[in-house]
Amino acid sequence: DADVTQTPRNRITKTGKRIMLECSQTKGHDRMYWYRQDPGLGLRLIYYSFDVKDINKGEISDGYSVSRQAQAKFSLSLESAIPNQTALYFCATSDSTVTNTGELFFGEGSRLTVL
Amino acid sequence: AQSVAQPEDQVNVAEGNPLTVKCTYSVSGNPYLFWYVQYPNRGLQFLLKYITGDNLVKGSYGFEAEFNKSQTSFHLKKPSALVSDSALYFCAVRDGSGGFKTIFGAGTRLFVKA
Repeated sequence: DADVTQTPRNRITKTGKRIMLECSQTKGHDRMYWYRQDPGLGLRLIYYSFDVKDINKGEISDGYSVSRQAQAKFSLSLESAIPNQTALYFCATSDSTVTNTGELFFGEGSRLTVL
Repeated sequence: AQSVAQPEDQVNVAEGNPLTVKCTYSVSGNPYLFWYVQYPNRGLQFLLKYITGDNLVKGSYGFEAEFNKSQTSFHLKKPSALVSDSALYFCAVRDGSGGFKTIFGAGTRLFVKA
């Protein structure tokens, strides 16, 4: 089983709909992230969380919200989806221990298409 | 501010030949540098990292990367390319002086021809 699991893997929706992407992890990491991948732009950070009570905006948080329901769960919501939010979304985790050097562990991605 | 540049959108190489995927970075503190690989319909996988010490770091699948502080570069290399190395490669940087955000380059697509 994957250490970082994202659901759904693929989703097609219409403009104005509310969408939730879910992420769960079994790595025991305290830090979780949501990234968006667009061709030619690499990965851009949407939100990140260092523990259950900590939520922070990333580079491109407008139009998105998140919830950290537990240490192992971090969900991303699009309150009212628009076509330019069509992208591949990745959840990632990392460890905050003293020896941590910050490598990220990624889920398989959630491909979202907004019509 | 941190930034990463991958100057080549695509690199083409014949199987058995050496490959290089270029990366330059900018960071105000100590650079923690990473390479990740993405195969089709998969998430990113960690390949290797430079934190400190020897400028030549070795990673998974026979890849290595050379840290050059004066040129602010961290090029990914492999002595002999395989068709199965064809994928999308991302360079990333984190400010090791207390920063927490990892910034990614735009990615370089590697095609290895048989």
